[in-house]
Amino acid sequence: QITLKESGPTLVKPTQTLTLTCNFSGFSLSTIGVGVGWIRQPPGKALEFLTLIYWNGDKRYSPSLKSRLTITRDTSENQVVLTMTDMDPMDTATYYCAQRPSCCYTFDFWGQGTFVTVSS
Amino acid sequence: QSALTQPASVSGSPGQSITISCTGTSSDVGGYNYVSWFQQHPGKAPKLMIYDVTKRPSGVSNRFSGSKSGNTASLTISGLQAEDEGDYYCTSYTFSITSNWVFGGGTRLTVL
Repeated sequence: QITLKESGPTLVKPTQTLTLTCNFSGFSLSTIGVGVGWIRQPPGKALEFLTLIYWNGDKRYSPSLKSRLTITRDTSENQVVLTMTDMDPMDTATYYCAQRPSCCYTFDFWGQGTFVTVSS
Repeated sequence: QSALTQPASVSGSPGQSITISCTGTSSDVGGYNYVSWFQQHPGKAPKLMIYDVTKRPSGVSNRFSGSKSGNTASLTISGLQAEDEGDYYCTSYTFSITSNWVFGGGTRLTVL
C-alpha cells in the first residue's frame, strides 16, 4: 500500500523560508523511473507543479519558481524535502507531494496535502 | 494563467455524457501522449483518473475515457452520476528545455 504524507509549518512569515517534508511508504525512491514531486494549490485555484526528484537524483523545477526551490531526498529514510525561499502571501496554498510511477509521466498516489499560510 | 486551457465549468444530468477539453501546444499535449486527468472533490487530494491520454488506473470506472486530437485532449464521462461532481484537472508532461509538468486551470463539473 503506497502512502505519502506531508508535514511542516502551517504558518510562515513573508520573506521566510518554508521547509516541507514528504514521508512515504510502500515504494522505494531507489527503483528505476520512480520520482516524488511537489504540487501546490492556492485556495480556489488550480494545481501547479513545483518540483520533482527522480530515483537517480535528477531534478525538475518549475521554470517560474526555480530560483526559490530546492528538492532533496533521503532514500534510506523514505523522505523528500521541499525548500522554498522568500515566501510571499501569494504562496499561501495547499502543498501536496505525489509519486511519479516508473512507468509513466503522471502522479498516481498523492498525500493528503498540507495547508501553508504566509502572513505576518 | 495556466499553461493548459480548460473550460471553467461543464454540467450534465445523471445518465448523460459530458466531455471536458484541455488545449495546449505542440510542446506538451500535441507533442507526446503524456496527458493525465485528475478528479478532485472539495477538501480532498486529486485522484488520477486517466494517464497516457487513454489509460485508466486500476479501480477507475470505465465510464471515464480519454482521447486526444492535435493539441487538444479530452476527458469523457459517460452515464453521469452524482458522485462525479467535482473539479477536473488535466496535465501534460512537456519535454521543453525545462522538462516538467504543466496543468490546466481546472473544470468544475456539476451534475444537475
